Amino acid sequence: QVQLVESGGGVVQPGRSLRLSCAVSGFTFGKYGMHWVRQAPGKGLEWVAFTSVDGNIKNYADSVKGRFTISRDNSKNTLFLQMNTLRAEDTAVYYCARDPIVGTSGTFDIWGQGTMVTVSS
Amino acid sequence: QSVLSQPPSVSGAPGQRVTISCTGSSSNIGAGYDVHWYQQLPGTAPKLLIYDYNNRPSGVPDRFSGSKSGTSASLAITGLQAEDEADYYCQSFDSGLSGYVFGTGTTVTVL
Repeated sequence: QVQLVESGGGVVQPGRSLRLSCAVSGFTFGKYGMHWVRQAPGKGLEWVAFTSVDGNIKNYADSVKGRFTISRDNSKNTLFLQMNTLRAEDTAVYYCARDPIVGTSGTFDIWGQGTMVTVSS
Repeated sequence: QSVLSQPPSVSGAPGQRVTISCTGSSSNIGAGYDVHWYQQLPGTAPKLLIYDYNNRPSGVPDRFSGSKSGTSASLAITGLQAEDEADYYCQSFDSGLSGYVFGTGTTVTVL
């Protein structure tokens, strides 16, 4: 079945880096756009980053621009999020989500279970 | 602070109808960008509930419906059930931010 599984979360000190992965299965990864979305404890959803089907187009939320990098390896069915210069406010559950790239505003049609990132000294 | 505003909470008795508003602006909903709705049950990942204003993915009951008017969108739940207790988020695209945006979220409580 269609599945997205995030990994790589953990506790990290402010200013350090972390790399998240999202392994997908059950569909043709290279035909879908992909997003990262995060949710701080007790808070709402915040879109983080998007990559196109071939990885050539990338968009970022202003809150992470210049610090986070989204990438994908279509040969390994895996999405990545490289997070540098982490701040306390980056503490959140990070979800990867699939986007069939139809319509005008993205559609997050399948979500992973999330991985927790805690930035604390 | 999200550019899409939702009421923090709504409640209703079993069987009743509740609606959740999603208020945007001319740079998102009013610009013609599609609106989608997500349901997040406690302790779980969000799930796509409604896409392109009023389309349901396979498996979503027809008790859920969406609509749009001007710079706002709405989600309606008819025949409210205990299993509908969850957080609900609208989502669209904002041309001013050049990014995807979520609403502030609404908690639905079944009395």
